[in-house]
Amino acid sequence: QQQVKQSPQSLIVQKGGISIINCAYENTAFDYFPWYQQFPGKGPALLIAIRPDVSEKKEGRFTISFNKSAKQFSLHIMDSQPGDSATYFCAASSGANFGNEKLTFGTGTRLTIIP
Amino acid sequence: SQTIHQWPATLVQPVGSPLSLECTVEGTSNPNLYWYRQAAGRGLQLLFYSVGIGQISSEVPQNLSASRPQDRQFILSSKKLLLSDSGFYLCAWSEGLIGVREAGELFFGEGSRLTVL
Repeated sequence: QQQVKQSPQSLIVQKGGISIINCAYENTAFDYFPWYQQFPGKGPALLIAIRPDVSEKKEGRFTISFNKSAKQFSLHIMDSQPGDSATYFCAASSGANFGNEKLTFGTGTRLTIIP
Repeated sequence: SQTIHQWPATLVQPVGSPLSLECTVEGTSNPNLYWYRQAAGRGLQLLFYSVGIGQISSEVPQNLSASRPQDRQFILSSKKLLLSDSGFYLCAWSEGLIGVREAGELFFGEGSRLTVL
């Protein structure tokens, strides 16, 4: 029940296209959903995050869509650029243990943007 | 500004040898500290986390241990490495007392790649 399932494992998108990565969860106590971006040889860094009081959050070319009833959330990258090529991780956390929360990460999606 | 340092960046060790990976955070006080392991196709696995000096919680039983001798120092150790300990180890921190969910962000170091032969 603590798992976050992420798909696809790898994704190739043409420059200028839309990249879509999906995640699903079971634990209904999850109420914080961040996405992390990781470049080769580096640690992950927060890209964008959403809480379930909204169904969508947009920051520049990056959008999180959240479907509470389906227990799914997704990352959309509009106008994908070669510089977006990286591994993306979704994650989730709950407020059940205030001050002691841990993030549960998905297995990652390796995104490659081709010219 | 806050920074996180992790070393060594790469390490090649024989089976049965000891391990010590170090992580320090600067520019903040009372951080929550974490050790993650990243294996291909398996995402980020939380190994240990700490909310204060000497306070360590283990997430999975394994051949590794962690210690926090100072507020902003976190050490990952092993007495005898196994082949299965190979991987990319990441130290991370978040704002203390309020947790990563309220803080909104987990800050990762650059990682340590361990190869056990």
